[in-house]
Amino acid sequence: GENVGLHLPTLSVQEGDNSIINCAYSNSASDYFIWYKQESGKGPQFIIDIRSNMDKRQGQRVTVLLNKTVKHLSLQIAATQPGDSAVYFCADPAGTALIFGKGTTLSVSS
Amino acid sequence: GAGVSQSPSNKVTEKGKDVELRCDPISGHTALYWYRQSLGQGLEFLIYFQGNSAPDKSGLPSDRFSAERTGGSVSTLTIQRTQQEDSAVYLCASSLDLHEQYFGPGTRLTVT
Repeated sequence: GENVGLHLPTLSVQEGDNSIINCAYSNSASDYFIWYKQESGKGPQFIIDIRSNMDKRQGQRVTVLLNKTVKHLSLQIAATQPGDSAVYFCADPAGTALIFGKGTTLSVSS
Repeated sequence: GAGVSQSPSNKVTEKGKDVELRCDPISGHTALYWYRQSLGQGLEFLIYFQGNSAPDKSGLPSDRFSAERTGGSVSTLTIQRTQQEDSAVYLCASSLDLHEQYFGPGTRLTVT
């Protein structure tokens, strides 16, 4: 089965709202997680990562939260813009490759 | 600098034909990965090359799939006797380490 999965396949928000994309994982030994953004017709693009010894990490307009107790992480996007519309994946390095969840499609309307 | 490039961007082939997909990684990246993405799905790991080490082929779905990496740079993914279930986007990524992988735009393969 999958190491990582997402709660909702789609999320629709209005421009300017904050977006929260969730991800659950099953491997308690995972020590590193990555969020990728994939725009239509393109390959995934690295957004932000977090190590298991952290609870929170902030980037530009994005914040990732990690709750190891319930094996859950989330990606928060502040002031969502139309350019944020994409599929978002959480990924877990497992051995020699990344294990990706199925993705959440974020749609931002003006 | 240039990113990861893949060719062709689209490939339509008839069932039973062989196809070759090419990946040009970022110069200097020692690691190269192939993934497959079916419609609406996440990425499925296929194969991993690291330097001169033997590749990790554990993700290849069948013996119809093979890959080579020549001179530690360009890689070719070959699918023999293609089947309709092989239809997907094939993504290549390169990196200096496992965590920060840089992806190409992918090759969309359609088997008719």
